[in-house]
Amino acid sequence: QVQLVQSGAEVKKPGASVKVSCKASGYTFTSYTMHWVRQAPGQRLEWMGWINAGNGHTKYSQKFQGRVTITRDTSANTAYMELSSLRSEDTAVYYCARGMATILLSAFDVWGQGTMVTVSS
Amino acid sequence: DIVMTQSPDSLAVSLGERATINCKSSQSVLYRSNNKNYLAWYQQKPGQPPKLLIYWASTRESGVPDRFSGSGSGTDFTLTISSLQAEDVAVYYCQQYYSTPITFGPGTKVDIK
Repeated sequence: QVQLVQSGAEVKKPGASVKVSCKASGYTFTSYTMHWVRQAPGQRLEWMGWINAGNGHTKYSQKFQGRVTITRDTSANTAYMELSSLRSEDTAVYYCARGMATILLSAFDVWGQGTMVTVSS
Repeated sequence: DIVMTQSPDSLAVSLGERATINCKSSQSVLYRSNNKNYLAWYQQKPGQPPKLLIYWASTRESGVPDRFSGSGSGTDFTLTISSLQAEDVAVYYCQQYYSTPITFGPGTKVDIK
């Protein structure tokens, strides 16, 4: 079945970087887009950016521009999200989510289980 | 950025009764060229990722019970649960994917009365 499996929880110090992975299975990885969304405690979902898994094209939310990098490894059917210069406000659950089409503007039909990232000194 | 708002913040409905959630976007999410509203609804239960219920404002995702329906166009949308079941207790989010940054509403918590 179609599945996205994310890497495990992380604890980081302020100023550090974190890299979260998202392994896809059950579908042709390069035929879809992958988005990254985060959810801070008690907050609404927040879109961070996306990658076209086929051609590697990316687009980031202005809020995270310069701090976030989304990549993919087509040989491993895996997408990655790296967030740098971490601060306490980055403490959140980070999700990968598959876009329903190869275009940017689509709903998200499959979600990973989430990765808790805690930023604390 | 398109700002999404939802009402109410929370509601409690008796089992078998109708639940209605409203979502409003700060600008239209209707693409005139294809007459599609770039609006989706998600359900999130505690400790779980969101689950897609409705896309294009009114298209039910495969496997979603038909008691869930979406309506509206332009800037005003509604998610209706026609007959609330115990398993529907969750937070519901609307999302616009008309333009980046893709944005979500603040969520509406649905409980059993």
